[in-house]
Amino acid sequence: DSGVTQTPKHLITATGQRVTLRCSPRSGDLSVYWYQQSLDQGLQFLIQYYNGEERAKGNILERFSAQQFPDLHSELNLSSLELGDSALYFCASSVSPSGYYNEQFFGPGTRLTVL
Amino acid sequence: DAKTTQPNSMESNEEEPVHLPCNHSTISGTDYIHWYRQLPSQGPEYVIHGLTSNVNNRMASLAIAEDRKSSTLILHRATLRDAAVYYCILRAPGNNDMRFGAGTRLTVKP
Repeated sequence: DSGVTQTPKHLITATGQRVTLRCSPRSGDLSVYWYQQSLDQGLQFLIQYYNGEERAKGNILERFSAQQFPDLHSELNLSSLELGDSALYFCASSVSPSGYYNEQFFGPGTRLTVL
Repeated sequence: DAKTTQPNSMESNEEEPVHLPCNHSTISGTDYIHWYRQLPSQGPEYVIHGLTSNVNNRMASLAIAEDRKSSTLILHRATLRDAAVYYCILRAPGNNDMRFGAGTRLTVKP
């Protein structure tokens, strides 16, 4: 158990809909990262927040947005969903804002299925 | 981050050592070498990281070539639970994202 929690575990929805994925980082970790894992694209970094502020952006679509709240939990909002958004979404956390010298701890993921 | 090259797949027998190679010929002097693994149906899991010197922890050892253009993750006694995809990732200062390649799928045979 990494200490990172994600809800829900599974989500099934229809095209055009909007969903929110939630992540609680490990106790004491201020950085939260979101990743998408699909069969054809592999694991891709989406976005990072550190202590409530956006820190780094990766291949995140404009239809997707995220935020980190004062209690440090984070939410990833996916809107106007398309079939291709079906994937596993992972959240990770780390202590520092720039984690190149230390590890990230990953949650169990949320499996999103868009029908 | 600089690019890494890993074999697509490797096989090992249970209780034998496993050496997982990674080439990173364009590594810069400040890049850290990180290894993560992903067990089936789970999120990635940190294994080990290093900069220049060899590193050991409870999970594995990391051997870094003197010129740093390659590294090897060593599992001293593979177990069935070690069957996973292993990712070698270079992390540069100032780059907060982590770029996963295709990794090496390790199969452990009983």
